Parts: sequence; C-alpha cells; structure tokens
Amino acid sequence: AAGVIQSPRHLIKEKRETATLKCYPISRHDTVYWYQQGPGQDPQFLISFYEKMQSDKGSIPDRFSAQQFSDYHSELNMSSLELGDSALYFCASSYDRSEQYFGPGTRLTVT
Amino acid sequence: GENVEQHPSTLSVQEGDSAVIKCTYSDSASNYFPWYKQELGKRPQLIIDIRSNVGEKKDQRIAVTLNKTAKHFSLHITETQPEDSAVYFCAATLSGYALNFGKGTSLLVTP
Repeated sequence: AAGVIQSPRHLIKEKRETATLKCYPISRHDTVYWYQQGPGQDPQFLISFYEKMQSDKGSIPDRFSAQQFSDYHSELNMSSLELGDSALYFCASSYDRSEQYFGPGTRLTVT
Repeated sequence: GENVEQHPSTLSVQEGDSAVIKCTYSDSASNYFPWYKQELGKRPQLIIDIRSNVGEKKDQRIAVTLNKTAKHFSLHITETQPEDSAVYFCAATLSGYALNFGKGTSLLVTP
C-alpha cells in the first residue's frame, strides 16, 4: 500500500515569502498530523486534523495555517517566512487513533 | 502537558552487543508509547510500540518494556548490527493525540 506522500520534497524560499506544503495521507486514514523538526532536534507537533476538522494544536506560529480537504489531503500554509522556519516538515497519518506513519518530509530552506 | 525525557543522548556499542535506551514520561494519562528510528534526513520510522495495558512487547531483536507505576519505558535491541545505527526517539501520548517525543538517542554500532 502507498505510504504518506508529501510535496514538494525540497523548497527554497526567501524571507517574508509564503510557502505551501502538501500531504496526502495513507488511504482510509482519518487523522493527519504536522510536525516540524529542526536540525538535531526532535519533531515538534504543529497541528492535527481528524475527519477534516482541526483536532489539536501545538506550537504552530500564527503565521502558519493548515486545513484538510474533502479528499483528506492536507496543506500547511506558511507566510512571512523567517530564517528560523528552515526545517524538515513531516506529515503523519493514522487510522482509528492507532499508529502514526510519517511521510518523507519537506525540507524547507529560508534564505 | 506531557514531558518525555530520554537517556542516553548518545550510545556506542560493538556489533553483537545489546543496546538499551530509557525514557520517562510525566503525564499518567498517556497510554501509548511508540519508538521511532530515524536515519539522517529520512522520515521517523515506527519500529515498535506498546500500550499501557501491556508490560512488555517483543519483535525479533527489539523489545520494549513499560513500567506504568514508575512512568518509564525502555527499548532493548539485542545482537546489534551496523545498520541499527540511527537516532532513536521515544514518544508518549494519549492514543489519537500528538506524539510528545524525547530528545533522541544517537546509536552507533561499530563493526
């Protein structure tokens, strides 16, 4: 079965620009999570969606927003990018409150 | 919120030896404890997990133990191989919610 898909895999943006990251969960998974991982750090939870509704919110900056669409894919929108936003962004999905499976990540570089 | 502490931060073992990584958590409501392996630049990969109604779980060379009273859980890898070298993260959460990760353990297995 296909795993979690994320696009793009790499993204380079300048300060103050915007970025949109996309996540396609595993088929029939009902929950999507977004995590941010800085170099040498553990993944930090940003936000999650259950059945297309926001279910939990972590340390997501106000400059970021996210949504889940009717086909269950999710997008993370990031505005007014800062140098400190450079990180790996992972999406994970799960079914029925069970194991979370991570996508390959999007490496965002802000210059 | 949940706070997960993980030790050691680095671990070096000889091939064939055992490796043990320990984690403690703070929130007694947490009932799901997964372990992830992450190679450099790659996605966290779920290797084993345990739920609060179980004290021990084993999968080939990997085992996890959970002590709910003491709020700690451990990962045991036996007969280590060079391909086990990676960063290992423990996590704790209430099922269906965001993962709270430890800071990670960098495991190096030398031939």
